Amino acid sequence: DIQMTQSPSSLSASVGDRVTITCRASQSINNYLNWYQQKPGKAPDLLIYAASSLQVGVPSRFSGSGSGTDFTLTISSLQPEDFATYYCQQSYSSPRTFGQGTKLEIK
Amino acid sequence: QVQLQQWGAGLLKPSEILSLTCAVNGGSFSGYYWSWIRQPPGKGLEWIGEINHSGSTNYNPSLKSRVTMSVDTSKDLFSLKLSSVTAADTALYYCARGTGTLPGTYYYLDVWGKGTTVTVSS
Repeated sequence: DIQMTQSPSSLSASVGDRVTITCRASQSINNYLNWYQQKPGKAPDLLIYAASSLQVGVPSRFSGSGSGTDFTLTISSLQPEDFATYYCQQSYSSPRTFGQGTKLEIK
Repeated sequence: QVQLQQWGAGLLKPSEILSLTCAVNGGSFSGYYWSWIRQPPGKGLEWIGEINHSGSTNYNPSLKSRVTMSVDTSKDLFSLKLSSVTAADTALYYCARGTGTLPGTYYYLDVWGKGTTVTVSS
């Protein structure tokens, strides 16, 4: 199985901050990497697929980059509704493993 | 707008069979991976497996011996069965739609059900 490791596990930031979350794969996954946002009590929402493609309806302050084993999710200017937990997921091979999550909290 | 409506028993005893069903409303049933993901309380997401409209399955090896997925194309339903449950199977179970069935396309989970809480307790 491909292991996905996110860092940090938690992060405190303020409204307006620029935030970057990292996801590392245990082997190369090309650009087969997705990012999801999950708010408490809700199902995850897709933010980004194929490492850098923004899902329809997702604000442009979200962006993704990377290929191979190292990937980043960046939020350019945090908004109050962005405080949530973020997960990466590799879709290169089965099982389609998730990272352990990064909880983004208000400072 | 595609919606997934899921249901199933929420309280099980150890060794029983978990059974969940998800209905696909408002969209095509073919051309997708119909998926199950679970989330233990306070923890992260675990991919359980997927099935396409033809019934081809792909399971997480960690659960493969206990998982069975099926589809009912006449009703646009897909189902999950997990046998011999233990307390470790206590989780919020989601159904979801996976894309990327065509060559050259990318896989991602773009539509999710609301989740069903399953508790295993004696």
